[in-house]
Amino acid sequence: DTGVSQDPRHKITKRGQNVTFRCDPISEHNRLYWYRQTLGQGPEFLTYFQNEAQLEKSRLLSDRFSAERPKGSFSTLEIQRTEQGDSAMYLCASSLDRDRAGANVLTFGAGSRLTVL
Amino acid sequence: AQKVTQAQTEISVVEKEDVTLDCVYETRDTTYYLFWYKQPPSGELVFLIRRNSFDEQNEISGRYSWNFQKSTSSFNFTITASQVVDSAVYFCALSEMASGTYKYIFGTGTRLKVLA
Repeated sequence: DTGVSQDPRHKITKRGQNVTFRCDPISEHNRLYWYRQTLGQGPEFLTYFQNEAQLEKSRLLSDRFSAERPKGSFSTLEIQRTEQGDSAMYLCASSLDRDRAGANVLTFGAGSRLTVL
Repeated sequence: AQKVTQAQTEISVVEKEDVTLDCVYETRDTTYYLFWYKQPPSGELVFLIRRNSFDEQNEISGRYSWNFQKSTSSFNFTITASQVVDSAVYFCALSEMASGTYKYIFGTGTRLKVLA
């Protein structure tokens, strides 16, 4: 297993366009998380899946953002009608569920950097 | 509310110096987990350590050591004999049990530059 994969690594788009990011977690991990990181800041939680179920969403996730994890494997994060404020690094992480809540070690992907012009 | 403060924005040291990265957290929960992650220039966060709130033993792993003090709500990270490869951004993170949430609160990170 090569770890958590994210695609694309970089995306430049014009304001108003839609973008989609894909995350392939470690195969045996049933938990998947999306975080957003802006320059000089730590990762901010966006949403979390256990298998295919989206169990939690941050208030940061406006209605222009949607995430899916069909079949509990890979996940996509779509941003509709992008705004310049959406420019950030979008990080995906996965973990096992054998640990108690909150104790899981997250394995992160390298991120997808979005630039909205 | 959860909060993690890393007051040091950037630290520069010369190779072989020891350096300590500070982390102060806030939580109302009695059961929580603390983490340190390293983010090298490649961008991928790498897990370094996890500590639960009931285990205040300090830990040493090679050149890395962690000092967890509940009395001061701190979880500091020391690198002994720093090397250029230690240059990265280091994040401290907190996760609470009681909230039932699986989100982690990260600090703003400390950028460490180790100069040859």
